[in-house]
Amino acid sequence: AQSVAQPEDQVNVAEGNPLTVKCTYSVSGNPYLFWYVQYPNRGLQFLLKYITGDNLVKGSYGFEAEFNKSQTSFHLKKPSALVSDSALYFCAVRVFYNQGGKLIFGQGTELSVKP
Amino acid sequence: DADVTQTPRNRITKTGKRIMLECSQTKGHDRMYWYRQDPGLGLRLIYYSFDVKDINKGEISDGYSVSRQAQAKFSLSLESAIPNQTALYFCAVDRLAGGNEQFFGPGTRLTVL
Repeated sequence: AQSVAQPEDQVNVAEGNPLTVKCTYSVSGNPYLFWYVQYPNRGLQFLLKYITGDNLVKGSYGFEAEFNKSQTSFHLKKPSALVSDSALYFCAVRVFYNQGGKLIFGQGTELSVKP
Repeated sequence: DADVTQTPRNRITKTGKRIMLECSQTKGHDRMYWYRQDPGLGLRLIYYSFDVKDINKGEISDGYSVSRQAQAKFSLSLESAIPNQTALYFCAVDRLAGGNEQFFGPGTRLTVL
């Protein structure tokens, strides 16, 4: 079965420190991977994606993610966390069938950045 | 920005009532989706539509129905609401010729008493 796992329900980081939010996936074929962020009382915002090419992809708000095929991981990273980065983060994988397929989401990781 | 709007933004209703949640988009996206979000479970797909004449069930379609009235509109109905349908509901869109990412509306918080 195709799936996405985010092993940490919550990640706590001090402002200015690097942050990592973990994601692993299980999918047949080449994965299309995505990160979304949800701020309180808001919808999901697209952060970045990996389709093909360079394993390190850069996205919005200074975030980046590293695709690792051998470890089937797609961890989200930021060199220096901000308090405003505090939010709920979702990893997702695109599953293709019919005319386009669908996204399968992980359960989400709550990021808390303290001053 | 996919300009996805959802109405209502919040709704409280009683068990057994019929409820309709509406989604509209203004950028001509082909494909539209309905998800529900529950704490600790992420987002789960309820229904999706790849064009006006194409409706497909997602992983948790029981108790829900949808209507794609036009390319720009995709409505989700709860025929007889029950308390475990209390959740945050999101509409999302994407484009057949797009970059594979989906764009989400602001969500509807539904409470069934």
